[in-house]
Amino acid sequence: QVQLVESGGGVVQPGGSLRLSCAASGFTFSSYGMHWVRQDPGKGLEWVAFIRYDGSNKYYTDSVKGRFTISRDNSKNTLYLQINSLRAEDTAVYYCAKDLSAQAAAGFYFDYWGQGTLVTVSS
Amino acid sequence: EIVLTQSPGTLSLSPGERATLSCRASQSVRSSYLAWYQQKPGQAPRLLIYGASRRATGIPDRFSGSGSGTDFTLTISRLEPEDFAVYYCQQYGSSPQWTFGQGTKVEIK
Repeated sequence: QVQLVESGGGVVQPGGSLRLSCAASGFTFSSYGMHWVRQDPGKGLEWVAFIRYDGSNKYYTDSVKGRFTISRDNSKNTLYLQINSLRAEDTAVYYCAKDLSAQAAAGFYFDYWGQGTLVTVSS
Repeated sequence: EIVLTQSPGTLSLSPGERATLSCRASQSVRSSYLAWYQQKPGQAPRLLIYGASRRATGIPDRFSGSGSGTDFTLTISRLEPEDFAVYYCQQYGSSPQWTFGQGTKVEIK
């Protein structure tokens, strides 16, 4: 069965950096686009970034452009999110999510989600 | 950017009742790229409906989606105890960008 396991969250000071990882199993990782979605505790969902199945295209929400970098290693079945210049408003649970469509230029929906990793930005 | 507005914010119903949740888009959602998710406390969201009306794998047929353009609806025909949760709509748009509504909480009356 599909499993997505995030790691790398923690408490970091404003301006700091973290690298989140998402280990995938139970499907052909190299055939699917992947997303990061975040959720402010007790609030709604916000899409953060997408990477195409082969890594050739990457998209970001405006508020993280230039600070966050999504990447993947298909040989390790792992998705990453490098987050730099952290701000208080980046505090959230970060989920990795698999796209529904195989080998799509840009996926449409999130059909499997990990359990999330909490990033807290605080001095 | 397309903004999704969900209503009502909270729906108070009893088990066995019908739930009707609305999602309105600020512009037409192209090709009905609209989905619905269910989220329970402490859990990740779960995909229920995609393409406005297609049920995801393993989703019971009491869940149905409808709509096009700017108005979409999620209907739960008869609420089961496990259906009390928060529901989000989500659309895929040009750029590309993915956006969510603010959620509707279905609570036990």
